[in-house]
Amino acid sequence: GQNIDQPTEMTATEGAIVQINCTYQTSGFNGLFWYQQHAGEAPTFLSYNVLDGLEEKGRFSSFLSRSKGYSYLLLKELQMKDSASYLCADSGGYQKVTFGIGTKLQVIP
Amino acid sequence: EAQVTQNPRYLITVTGKKLTVTCSQNMNHEYMSWYRQDPGLGLRQIYYSMNVEVTDKGDVPEGYKVSRKEKRNFPLILESPSPNQTSLYFCASSSGQGYYEQYFGPGTRLTVT
Repeated sequence: GQNIDQPTEMTATEGAIVQINCTYQTSGFNGLFWYQQHAGEAPTFLSYNVLDGLEEKGRFSSFLSRSKGYSYLLLKELQMKDSASYLCADSGGYQKVTFGIGTKLQVIP
Repeated sequence: EAQVTQNPRYLITVTGKKLTVTCSQNMNHEYMSWYRQDPGLGLRQIYYSMNVEVTDKGDVPEGYKVSRKEKRNFPLILESPSPNQTSLYFCASSSGQGYYEQYFGPGTRLTVT
């Protein structure tokens, strides 16, 4: 998505914590999605934030700041299977969902 | 099992030969969408449908057609494929547009020579 910015690649160590950031344009913003996509597979839904703050789901948490146009996905206790691309997507005007390019996370032993 | 299915999963074809990629969902979802995914460009929406007989263009509709005659099916039609349509295609469905998580099909890898 042209309005969404996230890092292209990240590397983190097994067992560690990693934060994947995403910025978006606030005009017409409704909410922010995070999806996980393993190589060659379909994206799968992780979270959807509408209100400011942190939402926790097990090892994964997602944060949103509407005023700053900023979100992050926090992955704790990293496992090798967490190696994947993480797609940030915003729900904007007319409820249209626009995806970012995705952040490819590599978890190393 | 709730799922979105696509066929074929892999297709190699030649320029100009019409093809259809089928998409079907069994979750009674009203909203369906087609995306293409290319390296460095991410997921881009081609067409979407908010209900039967209601379709609209996404961000990259040129060269594609869709139809929604039944709620469960949303085929993608390439009337005259060209090499720049070589891509990975995903169909997705959800309960509605915007606020709802999308369920994606397994993808169709299309190569046009």
